[in-house]
Amino acid sequence: AQTVTQSQPEMSVQEAETVTLSCTYDTSESDYYLFWYKQPPSRQMILVIRQEAYKQQNATENRFSVNFQKAAKSFSLKISDSQLGDAAMYFCAYRSASSGGSNYKLTFGKGTLLTVNP
Amino acid sequence: NAGVMQNPRHLVRRRGQEARLRCSPMKGHSHVYWYRQLPEEGLKFMVYLQKENIIDESGMPKERFSAEFPKEGPSILRIQQVVRGDSAAYFCASSLLIDRTEAFFGQGTRLTVV
Repeated sequence: AQTVTQSQPEMSVQEAETVTLSCTYDTSESDYYLFWYKQPPSRQMILVIRQEAYKQQNATENRFSVNFQKAAKSFSLKISDSQLGDAAMYFCAYRSASSGGSNYKLTFGKGTLLTVNP
Repeated sequence: NAGVMQNPRHLVRRRGQEARLRCSPMKGHSHVYWYRQLPEEGLKFMVYLQKENIIDESGMPKERFSAEFPKEGPSILRIQQVVRGDSAAYFCASSLLIDRTEAFFGQGTRLTVV
C-alpha cells in the first residue's frame, strides 16, 4: 500500500519570503501522480499543483513549484513571494496511474499548517 | 459550470440518530468519491461510486455506513446510529473520467455528534 508522509506539522514564513514544504512517499509503482492541495479555513480542497511521475521536469504554477526526486521518493513544494492568502493547511497526495488498479484513489499525508507572518 | 456541491455544510446529530450527507457532482461527471477527514488528519478514501453502482467501498466501515449514487439526484452518504467517533468532515469529489483527469472537491460537510 502507498503511504504519504509530511514530517512538518507546522511551518511559518514571512510575507514575501520563500518556504518549502516537505513530502515523502512510498510506492512500488512506477507510474503515478503527485499533488499538493491547499485547504484554507473555508475547508475547500484546492488543487495547487500536480506532477506526473514519468515527467522529469518539475511542475510549476506561478509562485508554486515542486522539487520532484523520483529515486528518493520526495516531492517538496516551494512557495515563492509568500502572501497572506497562502496561509492554509497543505496536503501532499498520491494517486496511482496504473490501469486496472485503484487509480482513482487519492492517498493523503497528514498535512502541514502554513502560517504567513506580515 | 458549478462546482461540486455538498450540503449541508454543517450537521449536528445526537448519538443514535441518522446523518444524511448529499453531494451533487460537477455537471457531466459520473464518478463520485467520498473521503473522511478526522481532526488533525488528512483525508481518507471511503467509497467510489458511478451512477447506480458502488465500485469500491473498501474504505467505508462495514457497519452503519452506506452510500448511493442514483440515476437521478445527488449522491448520498448515510450514517446510521451515529456515534461520537463519526464526528469529522466528509468530502465529496467528482471526476469526468477516472484515468488521467482531476477530481474536484466540494467544500465538505462537518458532522458533529453530540
